Amino acid sequence: DPKIIQKPKYLVAVTGSEKILICEQYLGHNAMYWYRQSAKKPLEFMFSYSYQKLMDNQTASSRFQPQSSKKNHLDLQITALKPDDSATYFCASSQDRQGYEQYFGPGTRLTVL
Amino acid sequence: QQKVQQSPESLSVPEGGMASLNCTSSDRNFQYFWWYRQHSGEGPKALMSIFSDGDKKEGRFTAHLNKASLHVSLHIRDSQPSDSALYFCAVSSGTGGYKVVFGSGTRLLVSP
Repeated sequence: DPKIIQKPKYLVAVTGSEKILICEQYLGHNAMYWYRQSAKKPLEFMFSYSYQKLMDNQTASSRFQPQSSKKNHLDLQITALKPDDSATYFCASSQDRQGYEQYFGPGTRLTVL
Repeated sequence: QQKVQQSPESLSVPEGGMASLNCTSSDRNFQYFWWYRQHSGEGPKALMSIFSDGDKKEGRFTAHLNKASLHVSLHIRDSQPSDSALYFCAVSSGTGGYKVVFGSGTRLLVSP
């Protein structure tokens, strides 16, 4: 059974729209993360959460907003989508925030037209 | 801003051969170096971490860290076609808030 679920697997959006990427982990981990992968930047750290609290934000744009409704959920809301946002977005989790292996989900591939 | 440099960008080795990947960080306050592997269409998966000088071996994989030069290498012996993937070096650091910075990756192709 998949331990980290990301939905949807593929997503096509139009410029200016808003989308939410879903992530759920069933590993019992306390820390969750979002990363972005594109041809321009192979794997870029975006956010980290620990016990549902935002700990680190390396994203310059406020258009990206993580949302944690439950300890094992970390969704990513993206507003005012731009073609440059096209990328694969990976959710990851680890036992705790520092020094632990991160487990990655299968990713959501977002294409903005 | 911390940088993680990987070399080579791509590497081709025959089945059964040795693959050697390199990584250098600019952050002297690192906590761990990590190696991750990503097969096409999947998320990255951790292979191993290292934080002490010297070698760490896990099966066919050996990481070597030189803290003075902030350089880590990954050696894969008896390479298999299933080892063909994108390999990332990542550095975890507490500098400016805890984060993990990934290098740009080395694409390994193991040919039968």
